[in-house]
Amino acid sequence: DADVTQTPRNRITKTGKRIMLECSQTKGHDRMYWYRQDPGLGLRLIYYSFDVKDINKGEISDGYSVSRQAQAKFSLSLESAIPNQTALYFCATSDPRSTYGYTFGSGTRLTVV
Amino acid sequence: GQQVMQIPQYQHVQEGEDFTTYCNSSTTLSNIQWYKQRPGGHPVFLIQLVKSGEVKKQKRLTFQFGEAKKNSSLHITATQTTDVGTYFCAGPRGGGNKLTFGTGTQLKVEL
Repeated sequence: DADVTQTPRNRITKTGKRIMLECSQTKGHDRMYWYRQDPGLGLRLIYYSFDVKDINKGEISDGYSVSRQAQAKFSLSLESAIPNQTALYFCATSDPRSTYGYTFGSGTRLTVV
Repeated sequence: GQQVMQIPQYQHVQEGEDFTTYCNSSTTLSNIQWYKQRPGGHPVFLIQLVKSGEVKKQKRLTFQFGEAKKNSSLHITATQTTDVGTYFCAGPRGGGNKLTFGTGTQLKVEL
C-alpha cells in the first residue's frame, strides 16, 4: 500500500457542486499539506496542518476548506466548485525531524465543467 | 512574498547530452530541496542541501547550493530516457517547513 493515498484519482464535477478530496497516510507524520498543480505554475500551497488541532491557510486558500479528522487523515473540500479550480491536487506529508522531504500522494485530477 | 523561479521552463535534449536546471530564490533559504515528477506521476523527493556552497552527487545527478543560499542548480550528465520528467526545486517559507516550489523544468530526452 502507498504511504500517502488520495481518493478519488480522477473526478469530473459540475460548477456549483460541493466536492471532497481525501488523503490518508501511514507515515505517522504530524504534518500534512494540500497543494495544487497547474501547468507552468508549479505547486501552490492551499492549506496545511501541523497536527490534528492545527489548520492553516496557504497562499491560495480562497474557495477551499479542509478538515483534519485524525493524524492520518486530511481532507480538502471545494464548497462550490468553479471551472478555474480544474487542476491536479496533491496531498503531502513531512517529518520535521527528518532530512527527507515531502512524501506525496498520487494526486487527484479534478475537472470542473 | 518569497518567490522561487526556475529556468528553463522546458528543455529538449538528445540522449547522452548534459542538462542543467537553475533555481533562484528572492530570499535566502535555510535549505533547498529537489523533486522529480515523472509524466503522469507525483513529485518524488531527490535530495536536500543545507550548507552554503554544498555540492552533492547522486550517480549522474549533481546538485549545488549557492554561496549566498539563494540559488541552486541540478546538472544531469549524459541524459537517459529515464531522466524524462519535471524537476522542481523547493525552499522553506515562513516557519514550520512549508515549502515554496519553483515553477519546474520539464525535461524531454530524445533518442
